[in-house]
This record gives sequence, structure tokens and C-alpha cells, in this order.
Amino acid sequence: RKEVEQDPGPFNVPEGATVAFNCTYSNSASQSFFWYRQDCRKEPKLLMSVYSSGNEDGRFTAQLNRASQYISLLIRDSKLSDSATYLCVVNTDSGGGADGLTFGKGTHLIIQP
Amino acid sequence: SAVISQKPSRDICQRGTSLTIQCQVDSQVTMMFWYRQQPGQSLTLIATANQGSEATYESGFVIDKFPISRPNLTFSTLTVSNMSPEDSSIYLCSVEGAGGEAFFGQGTRLTVV
Repeated sequence: RKEVEQDPGPFNVPEGATVAFNCTYSNSASQSFFWYRQDCRKEPKLLMSVYSSGNEDGRFTAQLNRASQYISLLIRDSKLSDSATYLCVVNTDSGGGADGLTFGKGTHLIIQP
Repeated sequence: SAVISQKPSRDICQRGTSLTIQCQVDSQVTMMFWYRQQPGQSLTLIATANQGSEATYESGFVIDKFPISRPNLTFSTLTVSNMSPEDSSIYLCSVEGAGGEAFFGQGTRLTVV
């Protein structure tokens, strides 16, 4: 299984700022892409899927660049509650089954008051 | 998304013993997945549990060490056998969403002493 790489951080960001982090993947056959959020001592939770045209959900924007094989997540007007680890997840299975998911190690984000 | 109940949430076990983790889903699902997340590491898929057939194990994981049961479409168990301190980890069960993403149980935090 090919790797998914993320900057582990931590990213220390003041409240209200905009923060962005990227994730690169090595398997060009990857089919679908996701961002997950994982709080300390909790299970990962789906934050958003990443579509080829890019997508936005409130303060969160995800972008996919297939040519360069990277995914980005932008958080605007960051809140203290955004502090968490953000996992980049790539599905390399041609059928899109969940057994094809490859997880990055995560980027640790700390929002400071 | 399905509601997934996993137990125990945590346990401290003696080396050489075994622990069985249970995962209950509130709807019928074809496949259930078991992951391991070691400290500071990404999630790694252990196996895929199918109802009515043997589980499919990923490279590096074997049935003797991680036997899995899948007696029906809403329940699965993972046993960590003959435990050593290296097995200390978070174990997570998951099910597949409509878009190929994964939804997780609350996780089992295992410490082997």
C-alpha cells in the first residue's frame, strides 16, 4: 500500500487566523480522498470528502490536485475547538471499498487564544 | 452514518493473556473492518471481516494472533492473543459509508504490562 504523507506539525495558530495544510499521496491510481479529524483519545471522525472540483463546508475548504498528487485543507476564522489532529485519507481501491483506505499520520493543530 | 458501539473502551492486560474486543453496529453491514493505531502512528488495517466467511488479513497480520468472528451482519469481535507490550495500541472497528469512507467505533485503548 502506498504512503500518504503529512506534515506532523504541530501548527500553533492564533484564534481567528487562517491555517492550511497539505497532504501528498504517492499512488496516482487513488480514487477518493477524505479529511478526518481526531481529538485526543477519541476515534477519527469524517470531516469532509474531497472532490476534484474542490469543496467547501462552512469554514473548511478542501482542494485536490491530481496532477501534483496533493490534497489541501484550509480552515478560516479558526476556533479553539478546531484544535485536533487532522488525518488525510486516500482510497487506492479501484472499487472504492473502505478496505482500500490509507491513512496519513496526521497534522496536529493547536489554536491558541 | 451507522452507530457503532465498541467495548471495552480501555483495558490493562497482563502479557501472555488475550483480550476480545466487541463491535456492534445498529444496522446490517456487509463488511466490518478492524484497525490498529499505535502511538504516534497512522491507522493500519488489520483485517476485513465478512459475514459467513473467514476474515481477510492484511500483510503482517495473521489469524492466530488476531482471530476475528463475524457471526451476523451487525456484530464482530477481534481477539488480541498472547499479548505482549508491543500490542499496546488503540484498536478500532469501522464500517463503510456510501462514499467509501470509514466510520469508526469509539476505539479500545489497550495497555499490555
